Formats: sequence, C-alpha cells, structure tokens
Amino acid sequence: GAVVSQHPSWVICKSGTSVKIECRSLDFQATTMFWYRQFPKQSLMLMATSNEGSKATYEQGVEKDKFLINHASLTLSTLTVTSAHPEDSSFYICSASQGGAVNQPQHFGDGTRLSIL
Amino acid sequence: EDQVTQSPEALRLQEGESSSLNCSYTVSGLRGLFWYRQDPGKGPEFLFTLYSAGEEKEKERLKATLTKKESFLHITAPKPEDSATYLCAVQAKGGSQGNLIFGKGTKLSVKP
Repeated sequence: GAVVSQHPSWVICKSGTSVKIECRSLDFQATTMFWYRQFPKQSLMLMATSNEGSKATYEQGVEKDKFLINHASLTLSTLTVTSAHPEDSSFYICSASQGGAVNQPQHFGDGTRLSIL
Repeated sequence: EDQVTQSPEALRLQEGESSSLNCSYTVSGLRGLFWYRQDPGKGPEFLFTLYSAGEEKEKERLKATLTKKESFLHITAPKPEDSATYLCAVQAKGGSQGNLIFGKGTKLSVKP
C-alpha cells in the first residue's frame, strides 16, 4: 500500500517552455501532498505543500508564480514550472501521507528529472 | 535552528560486514524521525518511523534506534542489494506536516 506515482520520469526541453509534472496517490486518498527539489549530493528541500481544494503553501524563497501547484482531487497534484530556465534544472519529487495523523510517514514518488537547455 | 547531520557521507563495506549509520539532530521538540532508502534516480523509499527516545524498529537486516540527540541505522551482515543512499529526516513539533528536515544522506556501497 501507500504507492505514489509521478509522471513524467524525465523531461528535456528548451528554455522558456512550461513543464507540468503529475503526482498521484494510487491506493489512498491524500488531502495533502508535498513537492520537493533535490540537487546532486544535496538534501531534499521542501518547496511547497499542496492542499486539496485550496491554495498551496510555499516555503520561503520559492516563487509561487514560477511553480504553480494545483491539487484538484484527493489523488492528484500537479506542479507546473512556468517559463523554465536552465537554473530550474533539478530533480523534483512529490510525496503524500496516508492517514490523517500529522506525524505519519510521507511516501515518495520516483521523481522527475528536469533538464532545461 | 533545526538541523540534521548524517555521518559518514559515504561508507564502503564488504558483504557480511556489519556497521552503523549515524543521524544527529537538533530540533525544538521532535515529532518524529524517519529513515528512508534512496536508489539512484529514484524517490526515497520509507523504512522506519521513530517517535521517542529508546524506541527501536527492525526490518530484515536493518535496525533503527533513537536517543534524544541521534538515531542509528544498524546494518547487520549487509548484502550488495543493500547498497543505496540512506536518508534521515526529522519533523519538529510546531512545524507543518510537510516540514521534514532531511540530512544529506549516507551513501552505502556493499561489495560482494
């Protein structure tokens, strides 16, 4: 149980393109999903918390107009990187918790490798 | 400031050679400590949650322990398939549900 699927696995695109990444909880409902960013040999850094039916909560320093998050259903959250530039190239990972308790473990998708040329 | 430090950064073991990975943390009230395994190009895979000092969890060759300042991940008689990066993360009381603070991980290589 607690499977999170992320799509696509990797994207290569030109500078200025907008890229959408999907995150789905396959066998459970998730009112909250999370988006992380990971640079090589660095820690996962939380970018934003995606809340079903309401606005996402962004961490300090993350541009909400740059990284658009939509959580339209209890099993799907999307992250759109708008007008992507080479500095946006990174590994983006989503996660979700099963159950309502705040200290339940997060289960992660397999990530999306984004490369902007 | 809440912080997680993992050591060593990298660890090379021979198959069957037991060892321990360390996760030191400073946090204003611990809500939970999580261990994950991450393979190259993949997302982290959940291993254990520890909530209070003295707690221990076991799964196959892995055993996680927790004190008030650190957690250890003990690997007994490792096999090559245990090679991966092991991540430690803490969640502080008062923080949002998503506010996991991750260490940089320990890259474990097990040679046959």
